[in-house]
Amino acid sequence: AQSVTQLDSQVPVFEEAPVELRCNYSSSVSVYLFWYVQYPNQGLQLLLKYLSGSTLVKGINGFEAEFNKSQTSFHLRKPSVHISDTAEYFCAVIRSGGYNKLIFGAGTRLAVHP
Amino acid sequence: DAGVTQSPTHLIKTRGQHVTLRCSPISGHKSVSWYQQVLGQGPQFIFQYYEKEERGRGNFPDRFSARQFPNYSSELNVNALLLGDSALYLCASSHGTSTAQETQYFGPGTRLLVL
Repeated sequence: AQSVTQLDSQVPVFEEAPVELRCNYSSSVSVYLFWYVQYPNQGLQLLLKYLSGSTLVKGINGFEAEFNKSQTSFHLRKPSVHISDTAEYFCAVIRSGGYNKLIFGAGTRLAVHP
Repeated sequence: DAGVTQSPTHLIKTRGQHVTLRCSPISGHKSVSWYQQVLGQGPQFIFQYYEKEERGRGNFPDRFSARQFPNYSSELNVNALLLGDSALYLCASSHGTSTAQETQYFGPGTRLLVL
């Protein structure tokens, strides 16, 4: 079985500051990793995903994430946040070779203040 | 191009009633998955359908069922509603040809309140 732990439920940050949202996962089999963002009253939008290859993955809106197999982590970073980045962020894993069962963490609420 | 659409957007039901939620995938997508997102939690997988066949089922009771139609749209049915079924129900579609590594595109969800 797979599981995802998002280490911070809320992350407050000032505008233009850097941010890191932490994600650790547990799995006995190979997985793919995803970060999704959910704006208020909306569905989920894919930010980025790691399937294989380079461990540094770049996504939309200036976000990037680094896959660390030894630490089973997939932390999300942005060098300078904007007010519009205020949202809920979800880390998710899916078993490679499996069906479309995304397993999500509980989410991290990013609050960007002016 | 239209994204994933879901109807209705909001729904209020009472305990014991039945509910049907609908989802239309992105044009060309053959796979539809359903997720339940309880307030303050991450989404939980309920079902995946591909080419009208159930491909996967999450840990939900038999009160939850789904089907996929020839045009790849899908319905999620929940019988004998409980207060704990109150949640945002999300539908996601993907091409379905490469399964797990494909991006799933989510709709805006149906918010169900059970009183």
